[in-house]
Amino acid sequence: TQLLEQSPQFLSIQEGENLTVYCNSSSVFSSLQWYRQEPGEGPVLLVTVVTGGEVKKLKRLTFQFGDARKDSSLHITAAQPGDTGLYLCAGATLLNTGGFKTIFGAGTRLFVKA
Amino acid sequence: SAVISQKPSRDICQRGTSLTIQCQVDSQVTMMFWYRQQPGQSLTLIATANQGSEATYESGFVIDKFPISRPNLTFSTLTVSNMSPEDSSIYLCSVVLPGQGDEQYFGPGTRLTVT
Repeated sequence: TQLLEQSPQFLSIQEGENLTVYCNSSSVFSSLQWYRQEPGEGPVLLVTVVTGGEVKKLKRLTFQFGDARKDSSLHITAAQPGDTGLYLCAGATLLNTGGFKTIFGAGTRLFVKA
Repeated sequence: SAVISQKPSRDICQRGTSLTIQCQVDSQVTMMFWYRQQPGQSLTLIATANQGSEATYESGFVIDKFPISRPNLTFSTLTVSNMSPEDSSIYLCSVVLPGQGDEQYFGPGTRLTVT
């Protein structure tokens, strides 16, 4: 059974601080997505990383895919209250049928205090 | 991206009844998924609902409890049958857009409370 371990599960920080969220697995993924979800809404796709070692930046957010494509991190610089939400990583694996299977991490609930 | 709507947005239902949740997409998609999410927690895949084939259910979910329809490329329904309080959850549909690999776009969710 594939598992995607996400940590920390909860993070409460002051505005302006930096933070990193980690997702780790023993499985190799063809791609990994990061989502952000706010209360009462569905998850919103932030980024997809595909290549081992890939780094993508989205304003103050930096996403990295591990060299072996088994792990990923999300780093937020100078967090703002608007960053508050549930962050989810999701690893996708291609199937022999041509489809894919996605597993989600447990999520990191981030609260940024003003 | 895609615009995905779900109906109802929330409902409170009696034990033993059934609720059908609708998912509407503003473009044609082949791959559609139904998830369950306890508030503040991660997503659990219920089933994959690809148009033109029977829905594929994940371990722990059965068609009698969660029948799914996929009549066309823009619409799907999930029914939660014979509900119990344990079915209280948020139910989300998601789609994969043609040519966009495995990136999923989610609807806003349906918050179900069973009393």
